[in-house]
Amino acid sequence: EVQLVESEGGLIQPGGSLRLSCAASGFTVSSNYMSWVRQAPGKGLEWVSVIHSGGTTFYADSVKGRFAISRDNSKNTLYLQMNSLRVEDTAVYHCARGVPAAYAFDIWGQGTMVTVSS
Amino acid sequence: SYELTQPLSVSVALGQTARITCGGNNIGSKNVHWYQQKPGQAPVLVIYSNTNRPSGIPERFSGSNSGNTATLTISRAQAGDEADFYCQVWDSSVYVFGTGTKVTVL
Repeated sequence: EVQLVESEGGLIQPGGSLRLSCAASGFTVSSNYMSWVRQAPGKGLEWVSVIHSGGTTFYADSVKGRFAISRDNSKNTLYLQMNSLRVEDTAVYHCARGVPAAYAFDIWGQGTMVTVSS
Repeated sequence: SYELTQPLSVSVALGQTARITCGGNNIGSKNVHWYQQKPGQAPVLVIYSNTNRPSGIPERFSGSNSGNTATLTISRAQAGDEADFYCQVWDSSVYVFGTGTKVTVL
């Protein structure tokens, strides 16, 4: 079965760090472009970052310089390293797989809640 | 940065047709994708590249895109179609989501 499962999020103080992971099954992470998308409580979807199959990465302006996307091919897992966390980073974080040549997302993880608060 | 505007809410009578719009500058030149999200669940891709339905998505869902507006059409609306819907495009190496529309089936 094709699926994505995110690691548990948590409660982090402002300025802190957290690394999310997203384990894939049924397909190969490194052969697809993979993204993180977040949703603040009661708000809409916000794209965060993408890593292409060739390794190129892009970030939303809101997280550039603070977040880093990466993958471990041997573990078939996607990561999001989040540093200098802010209250406004509080959200459910989903990992998602890209549809080849379409720049859409066809497989989504259930999401993990990250709360940034003192 | 590119922006996508959707109506906050759309209501449709059971069995009738709902149309959800997504406005953007010259959006007709881009590929538009649509997602359905029910409360507490992950989004589901229902239309990609303007008009294509992924496997398992009913034919009642269709899409169009021209000029400055893309449209998702839900025909013969069912109670189970109640959800938030988001449009999305790719622009200058970033992914942009619309503001989201809550669809209510009356």
